[in-house]
Amino acid sequence: DAGITQSPRYKITETGRQVTLMCHQTWSHSYMFWYRQDLGHGLRLIYYSAAADITDKGEVPDGYVVSRSKTENFPLTLESATRSQTSVYFCASRYSGGETQYFGPGTRLLVL
Amino acid sequence: RKEVEQDPGPFNVPEGATVAFNCTYSNSASQSFFWYRQDCRKEPKLLMSVYSSGNEDGRFTAQLNRASQYISLLIRDSKLSDSATYLCVVNNNNDMRFGAGTRLTVKP
Repeated sequence: DAGITQSPRYKITETGRQVTLMCHQTWSHSYMFWYRQDLGHGLRLIYYSAAADITDKGEVPDGYVVSRSKTENFPLTLESATRSQTSVYFCASRYSGGETQYFGPGTRLLVL
Repeated sequence: RKEVEQDPGPFNVPEGATVAFNCTYSNSASQSFFWYRQDCRKEPKLLMSVYSSGNEDGRFTAQLNRASQYISLLIRDSKLSDSATYLCVVNNNNDMRFGAGTRLTVKP
């Protein structure tokens, strides 16, 4: 049971480049989420999706784009990476009506 | 002011000690409350939900005071394996707000 996976696990890129972080879950959870975690801030919600083709902004959406064409995938794209987007990115999912969010292992992104 | 505030610690306690963490939140419309645990360089995992009536899971007890907008977590008989960062989480219509976490180290 793979659960929820993220790729890549580590990424180094340069300012201005486009980067896509992948998230895949095998539970058919309807809800999926993207967070970033920075020292002193805790996790902050970037975007979430209630179902395929339905996405909504979270607390810090600027500079990010998401899509959800299939229930199991929720990619996060940084269209033009900036140094301030250096962070650890976590994807999460949960059942509709459930409370528990299940997190992927995270992607550590460094923007030079 | 952050929506969810926690004492960052670190809390360094001996095995067997009782330790308490506190958390305050600013959005009075918040609907559900949780404690998550995060090990170093790992993903957060749900420790327990928090209810107004208080709830217990083994050595862990969580309390919620809606009037004061205050959440607590008590760990009794601390184990070495309890060493982690504990995240206070407040939810309002899918908008989960996380505290920055309280770090606990349990020493032999």
